[in-house]
Amino acid sequence: DAGITQSPRHKVTETGTPVTLRCHQTENHRYMYWYRQDPGHGLRLIHYSYGVKDTDKGEVSDGYSVSRSKTEDFLLTLESATSSQTSVYFCATLVGAYGYTFGSGTRLTVV
Amino acid sequence: GQQLNQSPQSMFIQEGEDVSMNCTSSSIFNTWLWYKQDPGEGPVLLIALYKAGELTSNGRLTAQFGITRKDSFLNISASIPSDVGIYFCAGPRGAGNMLTFGGGTRLMVKP
Repeated sequence: DAGITQSPRHKVTETGTPVTLRCHQTENHRYMYWYRQDPGHGLRLIHYSYGVKDTDKGEVSDGYSVSRSKTEDFLLTLESATSSQTSVYFCATLVGAYGYTFGSGTRLTVV
Repeated sequence: GQQLNQSPQSMFIQEGEDVSMNCTSSSIFNTWLWYKQDPGEGPVLLIALYKAGELTSNGRLTAQFGITRKDSFLNISASIPSDVGIYFCAGPRGAGNMLTFGGGTRLMVKP
């Protein structure tokens, strides 16, 4: 969707290094979400935000932190990357009641 | 853990065939959503269902919200190559308008 940009699109990093993924939206949506997608597991929620500086954990939050200092940006940080965090990460914003709009994803490989 | 179970996990069909996939849960959901993910992109909302028994169509797609509120199905009629992708069901849970997703049904269409 043109209103959500994720960066980078691809990243390879080494085990133990910190990594930050960025989600930028231009639509001024209040709610933003980070999901990870793995084969057989569908999409699982990592963290979400319901406003500037307001965030909460999802079902797979261990090893991840988030920050939202501006409405338009939601950052996901892997504090010390592990191979189990190799995944495709999607950011989403909420439009209406449950209409999520997703970004195009970031493919992260931890070697 | 994952609360929505999708079947089948994958399907390989001939162009022109009709497709049926479903999603079940041990918990009641008050809303069911179906998303489609094209290769290399984020999921896109196809259909939203808000009432038990509701049957909703979107072009060649038809989805129904089960009477028990524990299941939903999605049908695609006269499949075409661009129907290829992963189809996810989703339902809301908890605070923050969070969605839980099924594991997905991967659809492949042979021209």
